[in-house]
Amino acid sequence: GDSVTQMEGPVTLSEEAFLTINCTYTATGYPSLFWYVQYPGEGLQLLLKATKADDKGSNKGFEATYRKETTSFHLEKGSVQVSDSAVYFCALTKYNFNKFYFGSGTKLNVKP
Amino acid sequence: EPEVTQTPSHQVTQMGQEVILRCVPISNHLYFYWYRQILGQKVEFLVSFYNNEISEKSEIFDDQFSVERPDGSNFTLKIRSTKLEDSAMYFCASKEGRSSYNSPLHFGNGTRLTVT
Repeated sequence: GDSVTQMEGPVTLSEEAFLTINCTYTATGYPSLFWYVQYPGEGLQLLLKATKADDKGSNKGFEATYRKETTSFHLEKGSVQVSDSAVYFCALTKYNFNKFYFGSGTKLNVKP
Repeated sequence: EPEVTQTPSHQVTQMGQEVILRCVPISNHLYFYWYRQILGQKVEFLVSFYNNEISEKSEIFDDQFSVERPDGSNFTLKIRSTKLEDSAMYFCASKEGRSSYNSPLHFGNGTRLTVT
């Protein structure tokens, strides 16, 4: 069935370090892919999305490129800040799909 | 910016008791969802609701669970007889209409349910 797999956390980085959080998916057809972020005590918020192969989603310095050949949607940021500390979720949905599938989340800790 | 609101933020109940989790979705959204996250595990789909009926439900959503939209604004999840394994964070979400299938879900801050 359709699913999303994320790298396990926590990921601990120093401020200004480069971030990569890996996400791969299994899906038939042409899913749309998303990254959500959950700050402590809050719900999940959309960070970015990409709806077709080779699309790049970007927001707040984060980027992810929809790679159909490797079924991946890795999240990257060139220089993380302490305020980026949160849990990041990769997700997918498809046309005529009445739900989103989420990964297990990757916790990011950024130290000053 | 409009948001999804959930109450209460934390609910403690005894095993076998009924609980109702409440949500107010974004007012012009047409699709409503409940997800849950057991500590340290995936965010799992429970149920989706459209046009005043369940449109899809997961295997988790058994006869102990029910959803309602009792008026034009609230969307509730009821668990009739709670079990220890129902302890989790429950998220309500809403989405724009069907024509924008890849429009994002908007989540509430969640209700942490603790069954003792």
